[in-house]
Amino acid sequence: KQEVTQIPAALSVPEGENLVLNCSFTDSAIYNLQWFRQDPGKGLTSLLLIQSSQREQTSGRLNASLDKSSGRSTLYIAASQPGDSATYLCAVPDTGRRALTFGSGTRLQVQP
Amino acid sequence: DVKVTQSSRYLVKRTGEKVFLECVQDMDHENMFWYRQDPGLGLRLIYFSYDVKMKEKGDIPEGYSVSREKKERFSLILESASTNQTSMYLCASSIVSYEQYFGPGTRLTVT
Repeated sequence: KQEVTQIPAALSVPEGENLVLNCSFTDSAIYNLQWFRQDPGKGLTSLLLIQSSQREQTSGRLNASLDKSSGRSTLYIAASQPGDSATYLCAVPDTGRRALTFGSGTRLQVQP
Repeated sequence: DVKVTQSSRYLVKRTGEKVFLECVQDMDHENMFWYRQDPGLGLRLIYFSYDVKMKEKGDIPEGYSVSREKKERFSLILESASTNQTSMYLCASSIVSYEQYFGPGTRLTVT
């Protein structure tokens, strides 16, 4: 059964810093990996989807990388802003199912 | 833009009541999912559906049922609500192997 781990669990940085969030998964036979953002009490917003054939995906100040062989993905946030404060979750498709297995998330606080 | 809507943002029900949570998507997606999210336990899959009238159990189906009579609509039913079903419920939809899109969530409190 697929397991997803996210490190760190929480992160507090001053505004303007670049930062990296980490995600690891146990079964490398995935066909994609998705990063989400969740604000308190809200649903999940999809940030980036990386297909298994890709190594990177970029959207604005966000860059996600995928290394299937080592079972790792990183989300890089450039020039962080207070509005980036949220919980960031990574997820991969369940082995043999169409649903997602989620990490427990990284709670990010960007201090003004 | 894909839109997934859920019938209620907040819901308060009494123990033993039958509860219906509705989810509608507007992108003709084959797959629809119900998850619940609890502090310390993360997101867990309750049920999913890959076609009209087709459903499969997820990791925690006990106490729940689902209905998918139309492609765009997927309902979660709590047959007899209990306090341990107090949670945030999240609906999602997708095309096979592509992005999952989530609704805004329903915060259900069972008293």
